Amino acid sequence: GNSVTQMEGPVTLSEEAFLTINCTYTATGYPSLFWYVQYPGEGLQLLLKATKADDKGSNKGFEATYRKETTSFHLEKGSVQVSDSAVYFCALGDNTNAGKSTFGDGTTLTVKP
Amino acid sequence: SAVISQKPSRDICQRGTSLTIQCQVDSQVTMMFWYRQQPGQSLTLIATANQGSEATYESGFVIDKFPISRPNLTFSTLTVSNMSPEDSSIYLCSATHGTANTEAFFGQGTRLTVV
Repeated sequence: GNSVTQMEGPVTLSEEAFLTINCTYTATGYPSLFWYVQYPGEGLQLLLKATKADDKGSNKGFEATYRKETTSFHLEKGSVQVSDSAVYFCALGDNTNAGKSTFGDGTTLTVKP
Repeated sequence: SAVISQKPSRDICQRGTSLTIQCQVDSQVTMMFWYRQQPGQSLTLIATANQGSEATYESGFVIDKFPISRPNLTFSTLTVSNMSPEDSSIYLCSATHGTANTEAFFGQGTRLTVV
């Protein structure tokens, strides 16, 4: 079945540091890939997505590239801000008609001023 | 997109009682789901809420404990029955517009504490 392995956290960075959160997946077929962000006390919201190999998703300075050859979808940001402190989830879309997504364990990012 | 309103946002309940969580979507959606999120952990899918029929439960979750309704395409409820402290968690409602490979939208969650 589908699975997502996400870089273990928590991650603590200083403001303006470079961020990478690793994500690899196992899936049959060609699923879409997603990064969701969860700010304290809130539900998850979509950060970015990629629907096919070599697609790059980007939003709010974050980027991730769908790498089929390495089954990866690593999240990067060149310069993090305190406001980026949150939990980040990598997720795999379900390419059947069940509509379910598969989520990684989440990585907690804390950015210090 | 879809905006999901979930209520209550939090509650403290006595053991042995039941709590019903409501999820309202601002547009018709194809799929609705209920997740549980333990503190500091990832999401565990409880069930898929099917419109007009019984929900589809994941392994480890049963209808008697977590009855779910979905009377139409924009509304669903999850009841946590006969609660124990182990049920203390965040419960999240989610929805998608499609079935395969579509992004999910989430409510803000219900933080449940059972005492």
